[in-house]
Amino acid sequence: KAGVTQTPRYLIKTRGQQVTLSCSPISGHRSVSWYQQTPGQGLQFLFEYFSETQRNKGNFPGRFSGRQFSNSRSEMNVSTLELGDSALYLCASSFRGEGRTDTQYFGPGTRLTVL
Amino acid sequence: AQSVTQLGSHVSVSEGALVLLRCNYSSSVPPYLFWYVQYPNQGLQLLLKYTSAATLVKGINGFEAEFKKSETSFHLTKPSAHMSDAAEYFCAVISPGGYNKLIFGAGTRLAVHP
Repeated sequence: KAGVTQTPRYLIKTRGQQVTLSCSPISGHRSVSWYQQTPGQGLQFLFEYFSETQRNKGNFPGRFSGRQFSNSRSEMNVSTLELGDSALYLCASSFRGEGRTDTQYFGPGTRLTVL
Repeated sequence: AQSVTQLGSHVSVSEGALVLLRCNYSSSVPPYLFWYVQYPNQGLQLLLKYTSAATLVKGINGFEAEFKKSETSFHLTKPSAHMSDAAEYFCAVISPGGYNKLIFGAGTRLAVHP
């Protein structure tokens, strides 16, 4: 069974631009979560989607948005990029989206660098 | 609010020595706790999780963790370190009502030297 895939793996953008990251969950998984990983703030939850609905959102500005499609693939978008948005963005998928009983499987991440 | 604290951002052990990575949690409700490992340039991999079934939890790669309510701890151990264990380890808790929302500790980087 294929794992969680994220594209692209690496991305370089300049301040003020916008970016879209893509995540394909494991087949059959309906929940997709996004996390930001930085050396200073560590791993922080961005948002979670289940069956195309955002169920949970972290404490990030409105520049960060996401969506999920009917095939469970998810995208996240960051508009008006800032230098502080440079990070590893991780996507995780699980079957039912119930973290206490489900196992979340993480993708390799997209490394975003903002210049 | 739930949170986890990992004591020691860097731990160094000799190959064959005991590995002990510390995690303490803060929770007003029974917690669900996790340990993840991250190898360089990779995503996170689940090592083990505590979901109240048993206090001693065995995971992959010979790791285990013991849930101690009286100490609010969930320390990760491995009897004998291997060079391939060198990685960053994260303790995490599920937020109440948070479905899949993991709250992570700051991480502990484990170095294993010959």
